[in-house]
Amino acid sequence: DGGITQSPKYLFRKEGQNVTLSCEQNLNHDAMYWYRQDPGQGLRLIYYSQIVNDFQKGDIAEGYSVSREKKESFPLTVTSAQKNPTAFYLCASRSGTGTNTIYFGEGSWLTVV
Amino acid sequence: AQSVTQPDIHITVSEGASLELRCNYSYGATPYLFWYVQSPGQGLQLLLKYFSGDTLVQGIKGFEAEFKRSQSSFNLRKPSVHWSDAAEYFCACRKLPDKLIFGTGTRLQVFP
Repeated sequence: DGGITQSPKYLFRKEGQNVTLSCEQNLNHDAMYWYRQDPGQGLRLIYYSQIVNDFQKGDIAEGYSVSREKKESFPLTVTSAQKNPTAFYLCASRSGTGTNTIYFGEGSWLTVV
Repeated sequence: AQSVTQPDIHITVSEGASLELRCNYSYGATPYLFWYVQSPGQGLQLLLKYFSGDTLVQGIKGFEAEFKRSQSSFNLRKPSVHWSDAAEYFCACRKLPDKLIFGTGTRLQVFP
């Protein structure tokens, strides 16, 4: 089945540790995104990538890093510099062939303990 | 600055009643507008979208939305709500070149 796969679904991290969230898509989409969701604040853009080997900061990039070495993969690393990392993280993608629709994965819950 | 506003944080309706969720946007040109639905702990599913043309847009699950430029609105409607429609609903607007700006969401509760 085609889609966007995020893993793990649930992740616990100790303070001071980095953690990487995986996002893989087999839709052959060019653009990929990472959003953070907190209660009452909607979704906020962390990073996005329009093509391989290129990415841009979103509205809340501090404390996060990404890479885009392959078209189908866009992992997000939550570093120890992120002061309040506990949140629900959503990966998304969009085809580059004229469509404007962004599709989402099922999300990953990150809890800092 | 471009923004999306969903004035209602929480709405409660009875099953079978009609529903309207409000969305207002701020954007200088013709916007690309979307409605997404999210069940608890899940990702977002696209309900419908507006890019141009007919201002009344039909979506999945019996939802529709109407684009009104004069009111800067893109309200979501359903004539008869089912218990399975209980979820959180997000309105979004595409910000060029390649971002989506989201509203803060409206949580829908459905009573039997």
